[in-house]
Amino acid sequence: EVQLVESGGGLVQPGRSLRLSCAASGFTFDDYAMHWVRQAPGKGLEWVSGISWNSGSIGYADSVKGRFTISRDNAKNSLYLQMNSLRAEDTALYYCAKDNGDFYWYFDLWGRGTLVTVSS
Amino acid sequence: EIVLTQSPGTLSLSPGERATLSCRASQSVSSSYLAWYQQKPGQAPRLLIYGASSRATGIPDRFSGSGSGTDFTLTISRLEPEDFAVYYCQQYGSSPPGTFGQGTKVEIK
Repeated sequence: EVQLVESGGGLVQPGRSLRLSCAASGFTFDDYAMHWVRQAPGKGLEWVSGISWNSGSIGYADSVKGRFTISRDNAKNSLYLQMNSLRAEDTALYYCAKDNGDFYWYFDLWGRGTLVTVSS
Repeated sequence: EIVLTQSPGTLSLSPGERATLSCRASQSVSSSYLAWYQQKPGQAPRLLIYGASSRATGIPDRFSGSGSGTDFTLTISRLEPEDFAVYYCQQYGSSPPGTFGQGTKVEIK
């Protein structure tokens, strides 16, 4: 089955760190760029970060630049997001999303998301 | 940075009616690099349209996209019960790519 499954979310205090994971299956993972997109409670979608198939090209939204690090392990069909110096405004449902190609920049497969809550 | 403005915020319609959703960009979207997504409550978004007018795999032909430059439209020709959801547009032609509109909710009248 073609799917993405996120994990690693939870409740974390401001200033602390969290690492999200996304396990991919059912498609050739290393053929595609991958992304993280988040959705704050009751709000719209915000692209967070993206990584090319070979990790050679990486991008971040200004809101997370310098605090978040995206990575992937093609041998494990997995995508990661290391989130440091977390803030209350990072509270959101974090989706893993598959690019339609290598940075075509639209997303044809999404996971169900993992919830990150930043609160003291 | 391109800002996408979707209208209306909420569209109240009955099953069988036609839905017309608008997405307006603050600057021209190059090469019509615009996508539409559907999101139902508690679910992940689903890609409907890319390249402004190309339907994604498995998307029924009652969904159509049109437009270019700064004005884009998603049309649902006849609303089915499962079409009541929130719809987002996304541009991916200009930096920073991947920016989304704020969404239009299509609700049952």
